[in-house]
Amino acid sequence: DADVTQTPRNRITKTGKRIMLECSQTKGHDRMYWYRQDPGLGLRLIYYSFDVKDINKGEISDGYSVSRQAQAKFSLSLESAIPNQTALYFCATRGASGNTIYFGEGSWLTVV
Amino acid sequence: DAKTTQPNSMESNEEEPVHLPCNHSTISGTDYIHWYRQLPSQGPEYVIHGLTSNVNNRMASLAIAEDRKSSTLILHRATLRDAAVYYCILRGNQGGKLIFGQGTELSVKP
Repeated sequence: DADVTQTPRNRITKTGKRIMLECSQTKGHDRMYWYRQDPGLGLRLIYYSFDVKDINKGEISDGYSVSRQAQAKFSLSLESAIPNQTALYFCATRGASGNTIYFGEGSWLTVV
Repeated sequence: DAKTTQPNSMESNEEEPVHLPCNHSTISGTDYIHWYRQLPSQGPEYVIHGLTSNVNNRMASLAIAEDRKSSTLILHRATLRDAAVYYCILRGNQGGKLIFGQGTELSVKP
């Protein structure tokens, strides 16, 4: 089983709909991240969390919200999806004393 | 956050060494230099990181300039499986978030 699991892996949704992407990790890490990747571009940080009570905005948080339900779970929500939020979304984790960030396999989201 | 600059793309021949450069002229004294790579249709994976001294691991070597304003990721013998986008990233000692740039797309020719 993957250390960082994202669901769904693929989703097509309509403009204006609410969509939630979920992430769970089995590494026991306290730090979790959500990134977005547009075709041919690098990753951009949306939100990050250092523990259950700590949520921080990244580079591009507008139009997104997050919830850290537990140490192992970090969800990303699009309250009202728009077409330019069509992208590949990655969840990632890191331990407090570790240097390596572990990424999930990505969730493709298409907003039509 | 300090920025990094990398060439958009590079080519290599299989079994030859590859030197991937990265400029980070605004690096601060506590920034670690990280390299990640992203294989097609996968999430990024850790390659190597360093602070001041050169580093070696089973995947690659990292050569850091004395003034720390640039670094080079060295793949000693490129294989076809090394074809990926390579990201050079700075991570501060505080915070720990990784800010990705555009990366270098490495293609490896047989």
